[in-house]
Amino acid sequence: DIQMTQSPSSVSASVGDRVTITCRASQGISSWLAWYQQKPGKAPKLLIYAASSLQSGVPSRFSGSGSGTDFTLTISSLQPEDFATYYCQQANSFPSITFGPGTKVDIK
Amino acid sequence: QVQLQESGPGLVKPSQTLSLTCTVSGGSISSGSYYWSWIRQPAGKGLEWIGRIYTSGSTNYNPSLKSRVTISVDTSKNQFSLKLSSVTAADTAVYYCAREGGGILTGLADYWGQGTLVTVSS
Repeated sequence: DIQMTQSPSSVSASVGDRVTITCRASQGISSWLAWYQQKPGKAPKLLIYAASSLQSGVPSRFSGSGSGTDFTLTISSLQPEDFATYYCQQANSFPSITFGPGTKVDIK
Repeated sequence: QVQLQESGPGLVKPSQTLSLTCTVSGGSISSGSYYWSWIRQPAGKGLEWIGRIYTSGSTNYNPSLKSRVTISVDTSKNQFSLKLSSVTAADTAVYYCAREGGGILTGLADYWGQGTLVTVSS
């Protein structure tokens, strides 16, 4: 099984800050990596797929990078609506898929 | 715009079977190369993929749950369903149904239901 880890588990930041979240896979997954945003009481929302491609309608302040085992999600200028929990997910081992444990972005 | 809505009992007794249905609207469940999935999230915890079904009826399940899970599809009703047997308190979670895209979105959930809380308790 491919295990996903994320760091940090939580980050406190201010509006306008640049925030970077890291996701690591236990083995190489090429670019089969997605990022989701989840707000309290809501379903997750797909932000980025194929490690760096922005899903339709997602603001350009979100970006993703990486391949193999190490990936990052960057929010270039944090907005009030970005305070949420972010999950990475690998699909390289499809049909099995696994999610990371999540990173909570909250207000400093 | 595709929409998904979960329905089913919010309370299930230990050792019984959890049954949920997801109704898809805004498009036919049979059209396109999509998979239809179930994902769950215990309170305050992360996401766990349960399994998926293709409209042909082929299924994939999380190995850790495979012995207890059955996912089925009813294309005439535009619905797919989840059954999880022999539940325990550890199965208490918000259960989401979702659409997994095809091609570059294979294995990725691009549309989600709002989620439904299922509590396992006597």
